[in-house]
Amino acid sequence: EAGVAQSPRYKIIEKRQSVAFWCNPISGHATLYWYQQILGQGPKLLIQFQNNGVVDDSQLPKDRFSAERLKGVDSTLKIQPAKLEDSAVYLCASSEQGSNTEAFFGQGTRLTVV
Amino acid sequence: AQTVTQSQPEMSVQEAETVTLSCTYDTSENNYYLFWYKQPPSRQMILVIRQEAYKQQNATENRFSVNFQKAAKSFSLKISDSQLGDTAMYFCAFRAQGAQKLVFGQGTRLTINP
Repeated sequence: EAGVAQSPRYKIIEKRQSVAFWCNPISGHATLYWYQQILGQGPKLLIQFQNNGVVDDSQLPKDRFSAERLKGVDSTLKIQPAKLEDSAVYLCASSEQGSNTEAFFGQGTRLTVV
Repeated sequence: AQTVTQSQPEMSVQEAETVTLSCTYDTSENNYYLFWYKQPPSRQMILVIRQEAYKQQNATENRFSVNFQKAAKSFSLKISDSQLGDTAMYFCAFRAQGAQKLVFGQGTRLTINP
């Protein structure tokens, strides 16, 4: 079974530039998450999709971050314009519906804003 | 809101020793799930073990076991016969029943020395 795919693995941009990350979840998984993991910290949920609808985006900085999940499958996360404090690893995860289900994670995208 | 606290930023033990990682959480929920995830340098989060709060029996998975104390809101991970490959960041996570949002602790960096 293929896992959660993310690209790119690394990205370096200058502040005020824009950047986009892509995630392909495990086939059949209804739930998709984007987490931000700042160095030395635990992952923080940015946004959670159930199929193509947003379930939780309470911690998404909506003035600069946006995300979409077209057709309930792939998802993109965009930052525009980027700030230095956005430097982090962005993790995508997916799971089947249900509280007890395991969330499977991708390898993440390491973003460095200079 | 739920919070998860891991009070040990770093731990280091010798190969073959037993090590215990601590985790406490705060919630007003009665039914929930607890998880331990491992994050090696490759950055991909891997589920190590999970515990349902309604189960009194502590979960075990080979060398990994938990000590779940519901009243104390404590969920520690014990790794027996530690191996070099256990070197990683370990994150404790909480999910309320009926929700799918995973709330993570800050992580513990575990190093197994030869």
